[in-house]
Amino acid sequence: NAGVTQTPKFQVLKTGQSMTLQCAQDMNHEYMSWYRQDPGMGLRLIHYSVGAGITDQGEVPNGYNVSRSTTEDFPLRLLSAAPSQTSVYFCASSYGGVGAKNIQYFGAGTRLSVL
Amino acid sequence: ELKVEQNPLFLSMQEGKNYTIYCNYSTTSDRLYWYRQDPGKSLESLFVLLSNGAVKQEGRLMASLDTKARLSTLHITAAVHDLSATYFCAVERGRGTYKYIFGTGTRLKVLA
Repeated sequence: NAGVTQTPKFQVLKTGQSMTLQCAQDMNHEYMSWYRQDPGMGLRLIHYSVGAGITDQGEVPNGYNVSRSTTEDFPLRLLSAAPSQTSVYFCASSYGGVGAKNIQYFGAGTRLSVL
Repeated sequence: ELKVEQNPLFLSMQEGKNYTIYCNYSTTSDRLYWYRQDPGKSLESLFVLLSNGAVKQEGRLMASLDTKARLSTLHITAAVHDLSATYFCAVERGRGTYKYIFGTGTRLKVLA
């Protein structure tokens, strides 16, 4: 059981480049989310999805796009990378639904540096 | 705006000692999570607390929730080196919103 899989694990970009961080889960979870983790700031929610075709913004959505065409996949797109987007990115998923515990399962993370 | 504050931010303790990490949040929420993160690793779930007065225990860790005080505690009993990690609490910004706000984390180091 793979759980939540993120690719790539490491990435270096130049300012202005675009890229997509991939996230896939095999647990049939409805809820998926993207966080960024910066030193001293905990995790901050970028975007989230409560099911295929449904996405919404979190705390820090600017500069990022998401889409959810299938239950399994939730890619995060950086449109024009900036040094401020240097961070560690985590994808997470949970069962979702009213009354569910919604414990999130996290991927291994993607370490992104923007030069 | 929902804020989640943890203290202390850093904690260095001797093996065998007891200590408590505090998580305060600023608005009403009846669901609180604790996660653990080892250095350079991902996060793993420790506890989910779903109601006022909820208490969960796993090994040397015990978590509790007081929704009236908007406070959760993570108590460590007789610490061992393997508990060294960063501990995060997280709160849902309103039931059913799926917007989770994380505290800044408590970095725990247990010294042999």
